[in-house]
Parts: sequence; structure tokens; C-alpha cells
Amino acid sequence: GENVEQHPSTLSVQEGDSAVIKCTYSDSASNYFPWYKQELGKRPQLIIDIRSNVGEKKDQRIAVTLNKTAKHFSLHITETQPEDSAVYFCAASKETGNQFYFGTGTSLTVIP
Amino acid sequence: GAGVSQTPSNKVTEKGKYVELRCDPISGHTALYWYRQSLGQGPEFLIYFQGTGAADDSGLPNDRFFAVRPEGSVSTLKIQRTERGDSAVYLCASSLQGSTGELFFGEGSRLTVL
Repeated sequence: GENVEQHPSTLSVQEGDSAVIKCTYSDSASNYFPWYKQELGKRPQLIIDIRSNVGEKKDQRIAVTLNKTAKHFSLHITETQPEDSAVYFCAASKETGNQFYFGTGTSLTVIP
Repeated sequence: GAGVSQTPSNKVTEKGKYVELRCDPISGHTALYWYRQSLGQGPEFLIYFQGTGAADDSGLPNDRFFAVRPEGSVSTLKIQRTERGDSAVYLCASSLQGSTGELFFGEGSRLTVL
């Protein structure tokens, strides 16, 4: 099965700095890579996703990059704000599969 | 409803008891997932329904766990003879596109087994 690893487990940045979270996956057939944000005590919510036919996707301050050859993908948050503080999960899935495989999460703290 | 609804939000039970956790997905979503999340961990897959049938139950940890979705909408996760290790947040999610679309999560049911 698929194995998704996520680093770092915790990350602290100063407000305005950038944050980068990295994930690797093992199944070369995986072709959909979403990122979820989970605030304390809340449900996970999708913030951005990327499919294997593109290498990068941006949405305002958030971007995701995908390297299919190396089997890794990253979340980039620029100009971080205190409200970006949360746990971020990466995930991988494939069209022929039945489940999403989640990373172990990164707890991001943005220091004002 | 507007989103995925899960009840109860909190359940405290004693070891050995039976519990049911309910999930009401977004109307029209045929794909429904149950995940379990322990503190500091990512969601762990339990079971996936496509319509009424369990398309993949490979994540259920043992035969004490069972889930149903008889009419293709509401789903119930059933845990028999609960153990302390079952304590976790049980998340339900629904999706229009199955495994390549956005998952819409419920708020979760926090189960505590004493």
C-alpha cells in the first residue's frame, strides 16, 4: 500500500516569513495530492490540491509543488499570518484506489 | 444539510460496552469514509462506502468494528466490546468524486473508553 511521510512535525515561524512542509509518497500510481488544514478542535478542511499532470499550483499565499520522479510534494505558505497557525496534513490517493493516505501532520505556529 | 454531521460529538463509555457513531453526509455524496484520528496523528483509514456497499473495509482494526450505510446516505460505525485503545476521534467524510476529489469532513465524534 501507499506510505506517506511528512516533515517537519512541528514548525514555528515569525509572522511574515514563509513556511514549507514536505511530504513523500511511495506508490507511483498515486495521482491526487490534497492538503488539509485542521485548526484546534475543528474538522480538517481542504486548502489546496494538485493532480499529477501538473507540477505546481498556486492560490494566493499558498502553493503546492509536485515532483513525480522523486515522489515528493510540498506546501508553501508565504507571508504567514497568525491565523495560519494550525495542523496541516498532506495526503495521497489514486483514481483506482479506495482511500486517502494521510501524513502524520505538521503543527505550524506563526509567532506575531 | 449544509455539511457533514456527526453524532454524538462526545461519547464516554466504559470498557466492554457497545457504541454507535452516526454520520450524515452531504446530500448527493455517494462516497463516504470513516477515519480514526488519535492525538498528534493523521487520520487513519477505517472503511469506505460507495453507495450502500462497503467498497473497502481493509482499515477496520478487528471484528469488533463494523459499519453500515443501508440506504446510501446515513452511516453508522458500530464498536462492540470497547477497549481503552479505541479512544480516539472518529471522523466521517463524504465526497462527490471518491478518491480523487475533495473530502468534506464532519466535526468528528470523540470517543473515550474508561
